[in-house]
Amino acid sequence: QVHLVESGGGVVQPGRSLRLSCAASGFILSNYGMHWVRQAPGKGLEWVAVIWYDGSSKYYADSVRGRFTISRDNSKNTLYLQMNSLRAEDTAVYYCARDAYYDFLTGQPQGPFDVWGQGTMVTFSS
Amino acid sequence: SSELTQDPAVSVALGQTVRITCQGDGLRSYYASWYQQKPGQAPVVVFSGENNRPSGIPDRFSGSNSGNTASLTITGAQAEDEADYYCNSRDSSGSHWLFGGGTKVTVL
Repeated sequence: QVHLVESGGGVVQPGRSLRLSCAASGFILSNYGMHWVRQAPGKGLEWVAVIWYDGSSKYYADSVRGRFTISRDNSKNTLYLQMNSLRAEDTAVYYCARDAYYDFLTGQPQGPFDVWGQGTMVTFSS
Repeated sequence: SSELTQDPAVSVALGQTVRITCQGDGLRSYYASWYQQKPGQAPVVVFSGENNRPSGIPDRFSGSNSGNTASLTITGAQAEDEADYYCNSRDSSGSHWLFGGGTKVTVL
């Protein structure tokens, strides 16, 4: 069975760092682009970042660019999100999601996000 | 613009048809995907692209695209279809992704 399992969330103070992990099973991670998506309590989904299947390109939402870094270790079948300079507004459930297809010529992910993890919560203490 | 716009909420009588729309400039170049999210659960893709319904998704879910607007139609809505629905696509640059604000569907 195809699964994604996030870990690494928790309670953090503003300004600190946290690294989230997303372990893939049931498929070969290196064949897929991957995304991080977050959802603040009671709010909608917000796309955070994408990394191409081979790690050659990465793109970020304006709200996290310069603070968050998406990476992958295909040998470990694991996706990461390094979050630095955390802010209270980063409070959310963080999901990793698999991108179903990529353009064969460019490597660019095409969507949809066909597999999602159950999410890991990041909250802040004052 | 770098936004996808959805109506916040719609309601539909049991067994009737409801259409959810999503508007954005990027939709002129890229197809939308649609996700269903129930409370406490991760989103699930219910329709994508020009005409793609994942296996296991009932055929009462269908999608369409025209200009800068994508639509998801539920024909014969069931009680279990009550959920939040989000559209998703790329922005005009093609490199960044967006979600609409979500539409809460209530089945009466």
